[in-house]
Amino acid sequence: EVQLAESGGGLVQPGGSLRLSCAASGFTFSSYAMTWVRQFPGKGLECVSIISGGGDNTYFADSVKGRFTISRDNSRNMLYLRLNSLRVEDTAVYFCAKSTSSWLHYLGFDHWGQGALVTVSS
Amino acid sequence: QSVLTQPPSASATPGRRVTMSCSGSSSNIGNNFVYWYQQLPGTAPKLLIYRNDQRPSGVPDRFSGSKSGTSASLAISGLRSEDEADYYCVTWDDSLSAVVFGGGTKVTVL
Repeated sequence: EVQLAESGGGLVQPGGSLRLSCAASGFTFSSYAMTWVRQFPGKGLECVSIISGGGDNTYFADSVKGRFTISRDNSRNMLYLRLNSLRVEDTAVYFCAKSTSSWLHYLGFDHWGQGALVTVSS
Repeated sequence: QSVLTQPPSASATPGRRVTMSCSGSSSNIGNNFVYWYQQLPGTAPKLLIYRNDQRPSGVPDRFSGSKSGTSASLAISGLRSEDEADYYCVTWDDSLSAVVFGGGTKVTVL
């Protein structure tokens, strides 16, 4: 059974940093692209970042380029999102999700974690 | 303001058919696959339709997707109370080099 579990969310001040982790199990982790999708308090969705199965190709939304970093450890079946220079508008629930492809532009994500709340506030 | 335009709400009585649109442009829907997600209250999104009109295993055939030109549609037939959810379309935009989501349509079963 595929399982994804996020951790690392919390309250952080503007300008601060946070690292989200996503523990994956139940599938061959290195074979699939992984993504971080966030949901704002108003319910809108944004694909923050995608990383290929091998970790050599990445995508970032313009809103987070230069501030967020995505990485993965295929030996430990772990996905990470490093959030730097956080802004109030980064407040959201962050979901990790598994693609059904290794291709970055394939947007079919068939398994999702429960989400981690990140609140940026002073 | 989303690149993809979805009506904010749709409704129908149980057993009826409801459809919702996702309108874009030649740089996104017109040239790329469309995916649809269902989000039940308090849960993560669930993949409902991939590559315009394909259903993942386990998704009932009451759900169907289609695409024509720069618009896509999701239809739910035989509407059930458990279909009350938010539905989002998403695709790649070649001009923006970005993943773009619609603003979502909230389906209410009357």
